[in-house]
Amino acid sequence: EPEVTQTPSHQVTQMGQEVILRCVPISNHLYFYWYRQILGQKVEFLVSFYNNEISEKSEIFDDQFSVERPDGSNFTLKIRSTKLEDSAMYFCASRAYQGMGSSYNEQFFGPGTRLTVL
Amino acid sequence: AQKITQTQPGMFVQEKEAVTLDCTYDTSDQSYGLFWYKQPSSGEMIFLIYQGSYDEQNATEGRYSLNFQKARKSANLVISASQLGDSAMYFCAMRSASGGSYIPTFGRGTSLIVHP
Repeated sequence: EPEVTQTPSHQVTQMGQEVILRCVPISNHLYFYWYRQILGQKVEFLVSFYNNEISEKSEIFDDQFSVERPDGSNFTLKIRSTKLEDSAMYFCASRAYQGMGSSYNEQFFGPGTRLTVL
Repeated sequence: AQKITQTQPGMFVQEKEAVTLDCTYDTSDQSYGLFWYKQPSSGEMIFLIYQGSYDEQNATEGRYSLNFQKARKSANLVISASQLGDSAMYFCAMRSASGGSYIPTFGRGTSLIVHP
């Protein structure tokens, strides 16, 4: 069964360093997402991406964040200068379609990357 | 603005019993979708079930069913015949087409512990 993969599973970095989190969405999916979950808290939407551009982004997704789909398979989240409060689990998700029909709404999540900023 | 409320921070259930996890939502949109996800201790998010606001029948997926009461704005998850492997965090989420936005909103989650 196709699945979303994410690398690395755990990233430890020093405050102020740049990190790139990588995701490989399911191959025929068109919509891609990044979410963040601070330990013990709810999942928060960061950004959605379609047709090689950002469709929507939340207030969390400030100038320190960027996303890219550098080739036909990878989808990356870059944090330019990490802060302590960026420590969280980051989930990538993908979906085949965008719409309100029941067949079109399942977002497949990756296993997550746990980012620890020291 | 849309909002998801999960009032049960933790639930306990005996193996093989049924359990209901509560979820209420608030939206002014007529068209929206409701989701449940399971997050085991390993951290991944697993999609369980989806209910569309215009679906007349409650969604079911195996042992999972969604008790959708539109007038009450509730979308409770019912797990029948609980198994030890059901122990996890469960998140209710909603996505509406407000102004063309498809940003989903998640609740704070309910921790379910299934004991033998």
